[in-house]
Amino acid sequence: GESVGLHLPTLSVQEGDNSIINCAYSNSASDYFIWYKQESGKGPQFIIDIRSNMDKRQGQRVTVLLNKTVKHLSLQIAATQPGDSAVYFCAEIYSTLTFGKGTMLLVSP
Amino acid sequence: DAGVIQSPRHEVTEMGQEVTLRCKPISGHDYLFWYRQTMMRGLELLIYFNNNVPIDDSGMPEDRFSAKMPNASFSTLKIQPSEPRDSAVYFCASIRTGWDEQFFGPGTRLTVL
Repeated sequence: GESVGLHLPTLSVQEGDNSIINCAYSNSASDYFIWYKQESGKGPQFIIDIRSNMDKRQGQRVTVLLNKTVKHLSLQIAATQPGDSAVYFCAEIYSTLTFGKGTMLLVSP
Repeated sequence: DAGVIQSPRHEVTEMGQEVTLRCKPISGHDYLFWYRQTMMRGLELLIYFNNNVPIDDSGMPEDRFSAKMPNASFSTLKIQPSEPRDSAVYFCASIRTGWDEQFFGPGTRLTVL
């Protein structure tokens, strides 16, 4: 989930498990959402996006779900691999882009 | 393509000094963004340009910060004078059009002593 404090929430999974990372966004008028992955020492990398007129979008091993009623976004990663270990951010867009605080995903072999 | 290029990768300076961060966006991208990342505040959008023109600078923290984009292949973010609370990683990103698929640079880690 999202953090409003100093510490990033952490999700620890075993290799091969499915991972679900959650995000609560703030602006009900936001019409576009993006998930980013950030590995240590690198800039964020685009993973998948979804527009507000959709409730689900699938990519390669990733699925994003959007629930506008409760302003909730989730990222599902299938068959999680050690290379998926990173911090994951959601971002909402309404005239400007606002990032969430991020969730750290740790995948152990 | 080399991707978004930022320099320097690391900068250590003393309080009160001027700091200039540089960014070369991906060729052909019309938008350029400057972000700041800290543990306390996460990723913050500072300013973005479209076709070299600043569009939204509402995220720039204060007058000590300024950004320019003199041409399509170069932008600077300047802090004068710098303060310890400016210590952060500063990212530059570019996109061809729209908000999707922003390509981020590797970042500049700034430490102000």
